[in-house]
Amino acid sequence: GENVEQHPSTLSVQEGDSAVIKCTYSDSASNYFPWYKQELGKRPQLIIDIRSNVGEKKDQRIAVTLNKTAKHFSLHITETQPEDSAVYFCAATESGGSNYKLTFGKGTLLTVNP
Amino acid sequence: NAGVMQNPRHLVRRRGQEARLRCSPMKGHSHVYWYRQLPEEGLKFMVYLQKENIIDESGMPKERFSAEFPKEGPSILRIQQVVRGDSAAYFCASSPLREADTQYFGPGTRLTVL
Repeated sequence: GENVEQHPSTLSVQEGDSAVIKCTYSDSASNYFPWYKQELGKRPQLIIDIRSNVGEKKDQRIAVTLNKTAKHFSLHITETQPEDSAVYFCAATESGGSNYKLTFGKGTLLTVNP
Repeated sequence: NAGVMQNPRHLVRRRGQEARLRCSPMKGHSHVYWYRQLPEEGLKFMVYLQKENIIDESGMPKERFSAEFPKEGPSILRIQQVVRGDSAAYFCASSPLREADTQYFGPGTRLTVL
């Protein structure tokens, strides 16, 4: 099955700085990579996703890049704000007949200091 | 358009009791997924259901756990004879399509076993 590694496990930045979270995956045939933001005690919320036919996707201050050859993808948050503080999870779908199954990384606790 | 609904939000059970967790998918979504989240861990896939069918239960323990998604009503995750190790947050998600599609999460049920 798929294995997803996520780094770092904690990240502290100053307001206005950029934050980068990286994930690697094991299944070279995986084709869908979502990122979720989870605030304490809340539901995971999709913030951006990317499919394997593109290398980069941007939505305002958030961007995701995908390197299929190296099997890694990254989340970039620019001009961070205190409300960006949360746990961020990357995920990847398994390939083939199980491509509905999301495998999650262990999460990155992002703290944005005002 | 209401999002994914789960109830109860918090559930306390004593060892040996049964826990029943409910999930109503978003309107128009016929695919339901259950995930378990242990403290400071990512979400782990448990089971994938469509109406009246269990498609993949490979992530669900073979004993004491069962899931259903009847023709009418919410999806149910049932845990019999709960043990302390079952304490976790249980999230369900739904999607309109099956293959590598966006999954929208409910608020979760936090199960505490005393």
